[in-house]
Amino acid sequence: LAKTTQPISMDSYEGQEVNITCSHNNIATNDYITWYQQFPSQGPRFIIQGYKTKVTNEVASLFIPADRKSSTLSLPRVSLSDTAVYYCLVGELEYGNKLVFGAGTILRVKS
Amino acid sequence: GAGVSQSPRYKVAKRGQDVALRCDPISGHVSLFWYQQALGQGPEFLTYFQNEAQLDKSGLPSDRFFAERPEGSVSTLKIQRTQQEDSAVYLCASSLEGNYNSPLHFGNGTRLTVT
Repeated sequence: LAKTTQPISMDSYEGQEVNITCSHNNIATNDYITWYQQFPSQGPRFIIQGYKTKVTNEVASLFIPADRKSSTLSLPRVSLSDTAVYYCLVGELEYGNKLVFGAGTILRVKS
Repeated sequence: GAGVSQSPRYKVAKRGQDVALRCDPISGHVSLFWYQQALGQGPEFLTYFQNEAQLDKSGLPSDRFFAERPEGSVSTLKIQRTQQEDSAVYLCASSLEGNYNSPLHFGNGTRLTVT
């Protein structure tokens, strides 16, 4: 399983765009990149998943360069409610593959 | 629809007691996972079920930990002779298929405190 490295924490202000970058230098050909969000006292929640280039959904965008050795989660115009821990995970699209979580990035959004 | 439900929400056990933690996955979800999350850390994999079959239990920390899913739906994580180091949040997750095409849906966990 590819190891991921993320910043321990980030601070932002309401209304700003936040970009969280994850490094995964030994990503394998069949690996996908997935991001989860976790609020205090809750389980993680799926945000977005991608393989290459750019993926966008209603809450975030995921940018993956051609070499796929890193990825960036982009949150547009954050609000206080986006304060959470964000996890980057890398793994194969196989049945029963267990997700390996790192320590994640604590995002603090201030008013 | 209903999400993954875990009970109890909180559990306090004296050292040496046995505990049982319950997980009700989303109806129809084939795969079920248990994770352990220590304070300030990311979730750590414990075990995985595909229907009633336990296909991976490599993350269970000791033989005091036991999980079952006898009918392929509800699952129970049992911890025997609890120790203080077992204090953590235990998260259950289910997915429709169990691969990256099928994101995990987590419950809100059971916070276990061993005194």
